[in-house]
Amino acid sequence: AQSVTQLDSQVPVFEEAPVELRCNYSSSVSVYLFWYVQYPNQGLQLLLKYLSGSTLVKGINGFEAEFNKSQTSFHLRKPSVHISDTAEYFCAVTRTTGGYQKVTFGTGTKLQVIP
Amino acid sequence: EAGVTQSPTHLIKTRGQQATLRCSPISGHTSVYWYQQALGLGLQFLLWYDEGEERNRGNFPPRFSGRQFPNYSSELNVNALELEDSALYLCASSPCEAGREQYFGPGTRLTVT
Repeated sequence: AQSVTQLDSQVPVFEEAPVELRCNYSSSVSVYLFWYVQYPNQGLQLLLKYLSGSTLVKGINGFEAEFNKSQTSFHLRKPSVHISDTAEYFCAVTRTTGGYQKVTFGTGTKLQVIP
Repeated sequence: EAGVTQSPTHLIKTRGQQATLRCSPISGHTSVYWYQQALGLGLQFLLWYDEGEERNRGNFPPRFSGRQFPNYSSELNVNALELEDSALYLCASSPCEAGREQYFGPGTRLTVT
C-alpha cells in the first residue's frame, strides 16, 4: 500500500521567517516525489520533483526539498517566506509497477504567512 | 504552449441530474487524470486515462465515469448527482513517461442544489 502523510494541516509563519512543511510517505517500491502548490481558486502547480539523483531538490519561488530515504520523508523548506507564498501545499507520490501507475496526494498543508 | 483547459468553469445542477465536465490536455500528453477536491477532504483521485483506456479509478461509485477521446481530451460524467458531489473537479495531464509530473487545469466548480 502507498500513502502520503502531511502532518500539519495549517502552518502560520511570519513574513521573512523560514518554514518547513513536512511530508512522509510509505511505499514498498521506489517512488517519485512531488510538491505542488495551490493558490486560492486555482489548480495545482508543480513546485519541485524528485525522480532520482541528488537528494536535495530545488524548485520554483525559492523552495527546496530533501529526499530522505531512510526516514521516508520529503520535507519542503524555504529560508524566508513572502506574503505571496500563502497557499495550500500538497505532497504527492507516484510509483509505477509494470506499467501500472498509482498517484497518491497528501491531504495538504495550508501555509499562512503573517505580515 | 497552451496549458490544460477545463470547461465549464462553473456548473450548477440539481440533485438527480447529470453533469458533464470536459478537459483538454497539454499537446503531446497522453495521460489525463481527474480529481475531486471537496471542502475539507483534500484531493481525491477519481480516474486515470491513458491512450484512450481507463487505467485506474479511485474509490468512487460507478455513477462517476468518463472517457478519453482519440485527441486525448477527456470527459467526466457524474450521474444521479448528490449534494455531496459539490466540489472542485480538477483535471491534470502528463506525458507518457512513467512517474512524470502532472499539469493541472484550473478546475470546474460543480455545485449541486
